[in-house]
Amino acid sequence: KQEVTQIPAALSVPEGENLVLNCSFTDSAIYNLQWFRQDPGKGLTSLLLIQSSQREQTSGRLNASLDKSSGRSTLYIAASQPGDSATYLCAVKNLNSGYALNFGKGTSLLVTP
Amino acid sequence: DTGVSQDPRHKITKRGQNVTFRCDPISEHNRLYWYRQTLGQGPEFLTYFQNEAQLEKSRLLSDRFSAERPKGSFSTLEIQRTEQGDSAMYLCASSFGWGTDYNSPLHFGNGTRLTVT
Repeated sequence: KQEVTQIPAALSVPEGENLVLNCSFTDSAIYNLQWFRQDPGKGLTSLLLIQSSQREQTSGRLNASLDKSSGRSTLYIAASQPGDSATYLCAVKNLNSGYALNFGKGTSLLVTP
Repeated sequence: DTGVSQDPRHKITKRGQNVTFRCDPISEHNRLYWYRQTLGQGPEFLTYFQNEAQLEKSRLLSDRFSAERPKGSFSTLEIQRTEQGDSAMYLCASSFGWGTDYNSPLHFGNGTRLTVT
């Protein structure tokens, strides 16, 4: 069974700092990995999707990397802003077991002005 | 593209009652998913539709739960004889893809918050 772990569970940084969120998974036979953002009481917004053959994806100030063999992904946020405050979740789609995404519990990020 | 729409946003019901939620996916999306999320946890997969066919159901989906997508467009999730443990956010997501290509990102609705008293 795929287990997805996100560290840290919560993070507080001052505005302008660069930061890294971590995601690890136990089964390296994955199809892809996605990073999502969730604002309180809202649904999830897809940020980046990394296919299993890719090493990284970039969108604006966000960069996600994938090391499938070691079961790790990182989400790098450059020059953080208060509007980046949210919960960030990573999710893995396994290669040969169904249609589900397996989610971590998320990292709650607070960027203070 | 108006996004994934879910109705109602909030539902409070008494234990033992039946409830039904509706999801309207993005119009051209052929894939539809239901997830459940409790406080402090990531979403847990419930079920998956490709067009009108329900192709996978999680073990979490007990016989009190049923989902339909009758014409391959909107979907409903019904919970019969609700229990307090059913209290959660129920999230619907959709995507577009063909065959074995699952590299399209999921688009989530804002969910239905269910409280069972």
